[in-house]
Amino acid sequence: DVKVTQSSRYLVKRTGEKVFLECVQDMDHENMFWYRQDPGLGLRLIYFSYDVKMKEKGDIPEGYSVSREKKERFSLILESASTNQTSMYLCASSSSQSWTSYEQYFGPGTRLTVT
Amino acid sequence: AQTVTQSQPEMSVQEAETVTLSCTYDTSESDYYLFWYKQPPSRQMILVIRQEAYKQQNATENRFSVNFQKAAKSFSLKISDSQLGDAAMYFCALIQGAQKLVFGQGTRLTINP
Repeated sequence: DVKVTQSSRYLVKRTGEKVFLECVQDMDHENMFWYRQDPGLGLRLIYFSYDVKMKEKGDIPEGYSVSREKKERFSLILESASTNQTSMYLCASSSSQSWTSYEQYFGPGTRLTVT
Repeated sequence: AQTVTQSQPEMSVQEAETVTLSCTYDTSESDYYLFWYKQPPSRQMILVIRQEAYKQQNATENRFSVNFQKAAKSFSLKISDSQLGDAAMYFCALIQGAQKLVFGQGTRLTINP
């Protein structure tokens, strides 16, 4: 069974704090993704990574950065949290080996509240 | 830019009945994949069904099937014999090159006992 875990289910931070969201997958997947989920907007891609130390911007990267030092771990960083970053954050991973699959496996999500 | 639109924010159905969730998309690519994902309350998102654009035959997974209309860029999900466990948010998604997914806004499905 593919397992994607996220460091926290719920997180409350203050405006201006630096926030780290951690994601770990145990299936040796090459690709990892960070999304934010907001009501009425679906999931929007923040950043993704195809390999260790590689990262690419998604559709809404402003205010976020990422780090991938090990293949199984992908971190999302909010350098200075703001109230408009209050959201559900979902991590996902997928394999590059199966060109007919493209299935992404999701973590349980972190509900971040910035006050 | 590729877009996915789900025009039904909420749907409800009686247990054991059939319900269809709508999805339209826009892409300039000829080869792509479409997906329906399910997100149960407080649980992880899981893949329900996938469709390869080059395949004319509609995908089926047990009680779940799709109606894929490539020319119309439509990709609806039909759930037959609805069960209480089908209650969830359902997201339609399109692969956007290099394994990047583009999601619709989601449809919240309620099952009435």
